[in-house]
Amino acid sequence: DAGVTQSPTHLIKTRGQQVTLRCSPKSGHDTVSWYQQALGQGPQFIFQYYEEEERQRGNFPDRFSGHQFPNYSSELNVNALLLGDSALYLCASTLQGEEAFFGQGTRLTVV
Amino acid sequence: EDQVTQSPEALRLQEGESSSLNCSYTVSGLRGLFWYRQDPGKGPEFLFTLYSAGEEKEKERLKATLTKKESFLHITAPKPEDSATYLCASATDSWGKLQFGAGTQVVVTP
Repeated sequence: DAGVTQSPTHLIKTRGQQVTLRCSPKSGHDTVSWYQQALGQGPQFIFQYYEEEERQRGNFPDRFSGHQFPNYSSELNVNALLLGDSALYLCASTLQGEEAFFGQGTRLTVV
Repeated sequence: EDQVTQSPEALRLQEGESSSLNCSYTVSGLRGLFWYRQDPGKGPEFLFTLYSAGEEKEKERLKATLTKKESFLHITAPKPEDSATYLCASATDSWGKLQFGAGTQVVVTP
């Protein structure tokens, strides 16, 4: 049983560019959440997708957007990248009432 | 405002030296309190979910407990492979929306 998979594993972008990160949830899971983790900090909730809609959102600007596809996979898009967007981006999948399983993350470096 | 606070920030243990990590939370409507382990550059790995005060769960050398204001992760006779950052997180209005503490970095030396 494949767990949560994320791609790419590492990415380097220039300030002002746009980036798309991808996530495939654990088999049978229908809800995907995205988190940003800065070095030395705990993950911060960005948003959650369920039934192809954004259901909840954390304290992140509109530059952060997402999408969920019919097969439950998801994308995170970040526009107009800032140096401060450099972080580990984590995807987690859940089935209602159960624990969240995380992927290995995408390390984004903005230069 | 909901908060999850972990202490200490870092912990250095000798192999076999038991200790406890603290997670204090001030949230309304707690659905569950989670513990995760995270190795450097990796995603968090699920350890435990606690749902109500008084609940305890164990896995190998780890034991998690929950009160109305705090959770503890006890590490008994740790080994070097227990070295990691331990994160606690609360779920309130959604299972997938977790509020994390900053973590406790544990280093176990032989």
